[in-house]
Amino acid sequence: NAGVTQTPKFQVLKTGQSMTLQCAQDMNHNSMYWYRQDPGMGLRLIYYSASEGTTDKGEVPNGYNVSRLNKREFSLRLESAAPSQTSVYFCASSEVSYEQYFGPGTRLTVT
Amino acid sequence: AQSVTQLGSHVSVSEGALVLLRCNYSSSVPPYLFWYVQYPNQGLQLLLKYTSAATLVKGINGFEAEFKKSETSFHLTKPSAHMSDAAEYFCAVSEGTGRRALTFGSGTRLQVQP
Repeated sequence: NAGVTQTPKFQVLKTGQSMTLQCAQDMNHNSMYWYRQDPGMGLRLIYYSASEGTTDKGEVPNGYNVSRLNKREFSLRLESAAPSQTSVYFCASSEVSYEQYFGPGTRLTVT
Repeated sequence: AQSVTQLGSHVSVSEGALVLLRCNYSSSVPPYLFWYVQYPNQGLQLLLKYTSAATLVKGINGFEAEFKKSETSFHLTKPSAHMSDAAEYFCAVSEGTGRRALTFGSGTRLQVQP
């Protein structure tokens, strides 16, 4: 099992460009999450999906959109990237135990 | 609303010394509590979790944590530090209802000196 996979691993964007971060899990989990990690701030929840077809805003949703394509895949889209979105993005999934499994992260720089 | 406070953004210990990383939480319902470890340029790995069973929880790599409701604490300890323990450690809380998302502390970077 690969667990949680994320693509790409690194990305550099110019201000105003758009991109989609991909996440997939092979553990048959219902819940999936997107977090961003910034120095000294821990991880903050961007969006959450309790199950296929449902999404919910987290703590810092502004500037992002998500799609729960199917049970396996949960993508995060930046429509018009801003320097404030420079961060490391983590996808995670979980089931009833509440333990979350994390992907390796995507390091995004917006210039 | 739930929150987590980790005291000390950086902790330095000598190899073989006790490791103590502090975590205090607030939650309106009985919490689920977690410690995660992050090695440089990697994702987060679960060290241990408390989900309302035994208050002393043992995890991987010799770490353990004790849930103290009266002190709203969930401190992480290891009797003897190893060089390989150098990493960033995150405490997290979930209220276990609704979206089950985790609220993270700001992290503690552990340095282990030879």
